[in-house]
Amino acid sequence: NAGVTQTPKFQVLKTGQSMTLQCAQDMNHEYMSWYRQDPGMGLRLIHYSVGAGITDQGEVPNGYNVSRSTTEDFPLRLLSAAPSQTSVYFCASSYSGQPNEKLFFGSGTQLSVL
Amino acid sequence: KNQVEQSPQSLIILEGKNCTLQCNYTVSPFSNLRWYKQDTGRGPVSLTIMTFSENTKSNGRYTATLDADTKQSSLHITASQLSDSASYICVVSTGGGNKLTFGTGTQLKVEL
Repeated sequence: NAGVTQTPKFQVLKTGQSMTLQCAQDMNHEYMSWYRQDPGMGLRLIHYSVGAGITDQGEVPNGYNVSRSTTEDFPLRLLSAAPSQTSVYFCASSYSGQPNEKLFFGSGTQLSVL
Repeated sequence: KNQVEQSPQSLIILEGKNCTLQCNYTVSPFSNLRWYKQDTGRGPVSLTIMTFSENTKSNGRYTATLDADTKQSSLHITASQLSDSASYICVVSTGGGNKLTFGTGTQLKVEL
């Protein structure tokens, strides 16, 4: 069971570059989400999706785009990277996003923007 | 503003000893409280999920308690092992998966 798979594990960008963080899950989960984790702060929600074709903004969506064309994949796009986007990014999924469902996390992407 | 505060920030204990981590929250409305374990370089892994009506829940050597009246939770680790070294994160939900407030975690180190 692969669970939630994120690629790449590490990435270094220059300011202004664009890139896509990949996230895939093989658990047939409808709900998927992206978080960022910064030192001294709790995880913060960037974007989430409750099913293919449906996305919505979380707490810190500026500078990020998402799309959900399939149930399995939920990529996160940085259009023009900024040093403030240096962080560890986690993708997470659950069956349908209901309150008492367990949330499964990927192993993270560590992104540095120079 | 919804907040989750954890204490202590870090903790070092000897292998085999017990420890208790604390979580205080000011989140409303309350749906459930979760504890996660996050190993270095890995994503968080769920330990327990407790609803309003549950005041204790166990997962092996991990036991979580919840006092919804005082808005406090604790995670007790029994007979600690080196593999328990990790960050333990308290998370409070006000609804579905997109309504989670995360604490900053307690960094636990278990030493020989």
